[in-house]
Amino acid sequence: GAVVSQHPSRVICKSGTSVKIECRSLDFQATTMFWYRQFPKQSLMLMATSNEGSKATYEQGVEKDKFLINHASLTLSTLTVTSAHPEDSSFYICSVPSRGQETQYFGPGTRLLVL
Amino acid sequence: AQSVTQPDIHITVSEGASLELRCNYSYGATPYLFWYVQSPGQGLQLLLKYFSGDTLVQGIKGFEAEFKRSQSSFNLRKPSVHWSDAAEYFCAVRTGFQKLVFGTGTRLLVSP
Repeated sequence: GAVVSQHPSRVICKSGTSVKIECRSLDFQATTMFWYRQFPKQSLMLMATSNEGSKATYEQGVEKDKFLINHASLTLSTLTVTSAHPEDSSFYICSVPSRGQETQYFGPGTRLLVL
Repeated sequence: AQSVTQPDIHITVSEGASLELRCNYSYGATPYLFWYVQSPGQGLQLLLKYFSGDTLVQGIKGFEAEFKRSQSSFNLRKPSVHWSDAAEYFCAVRTGFQKLVFGTGTRLLVSP
């Protein structure tokens, strides 16, 4: 299966700063990538679909101005948490659809802690 | 609305014993169902999936799951659990184009 990497694996930042998280598809090109958020002891919630060459598609309730997504190339998508606040602390996970679109390959996740 | 319920937050099983993790879904059409496993520091790994056909599907690491439409269930089973199986397990249903709705997960603890 595809290998998906995320960087950084964990980050601590001060409230009010912005944090960028990278998601890379190492095995093949991906026109679509997905960003999820996982709270402790809770499920993964889809935040947005990252589309190469066009705007991201956000799920209902997700602030697009706060969570900026850029699909810079066919192997890289970035999620920027702008003006981060403690309530943004969470585990952020990206995924890449498999070649046949049947399933998704997930990155290892990025743990964000906002102080 | 589509949803997935995993009623057990955590389960403890003795090593070598059998395992069953429960999953119920709510979805109007024919569901595409998945089980993923999440270990610390690693991404979610696909254990198995059901799209159509045989309702008993085999996965990796000795896992299997059975789709029961009448019960809206897709329970995960393993006949003999190993200590390395301790992890978080997520059931998911695919709704729209590649969109996955996950359950809240079941943490499996394996006792010696």
